[in-house]
Amino acid sequence: DAGVTQSPTHLIKTRGQHVTLRCSPISGHKSVSWYQQVLGQGPQFIFQYYEKEERGRGNFPDRFSARQFPNYSSELNVNALLLGDSALYLCASSLRRGGSYEQYFGPGTRLTVT
Amino acid sequence: RKEVEQDPGPFNVPEGATVAFNCTYSNSASQSFFWYRQDCRKEPKLLMSVYSSGNEDGRFTAQLNRASQYISLLIRDSKLSDSATYLCVVNNNAGNMLTFGGGTRLMVKP
Repeated sequence: DAGVTQSPTHLIKTRGQHVTLRCSPISGHKSVSWYQQVLGQGPQFIFQYYEKEERGRGNFPDRFSARQFPNYSSELNVNALLLGDSALYLCASSLRRGGSYEQYFGPGTRLTVT
Repeated sequence: RKEVEQDPGPFNVPEGATVAFNCTYSNSASQSFFWYRQDCRKEPKLLMSVYSSGNEDGRFTAQLNRASQYISLLIRDSKLSDSATYLCVVNNNAGNMLTFGGGTRLMVKP
């Protein structure tokens, strides 16, 4: 079975530009979460979507937005990019919305803002 | 104070050694606990969930102490392939928000 997939794998953007990152969850998983991992730190939660609705949002500015599609894939959008947005963006999928469940991560998109 | 705290290491150990990592969390309402492993420039991979009764998977043993808000991971008979960063992870609510520690780096030497 295919795991979580993300595209693109790498991306270079200039300050002020906009970026869209994509994620396809494991087949049958209805929940998708997005995380940002800056070099040398653990991942930080950005958003969680379940059944196309936002169920959680981390401490990120409004420049960050996301959505989930009927096939449970998801997009993360970041506007007005800053140098500090350079990071590995990770998508994770899980089977249940709540309770003790496990999240599985995709390979990530490495974003560099110059 | 960070919600999940880990010693960043690195822990340098010889092959065959036993090594233990500790982690503390600040939110007493935390519900689920995990250890993830992350190799350099790769995504985190789930190593094991941590249950109140403690659990073991081969050479790996995880313990949870809710009273002290403390989680541990023990690796026995370390292999070169165990070299990685180990992330302590806590789920604080009924949703999908995982809170990660900064990770502990392990380097196993021949």
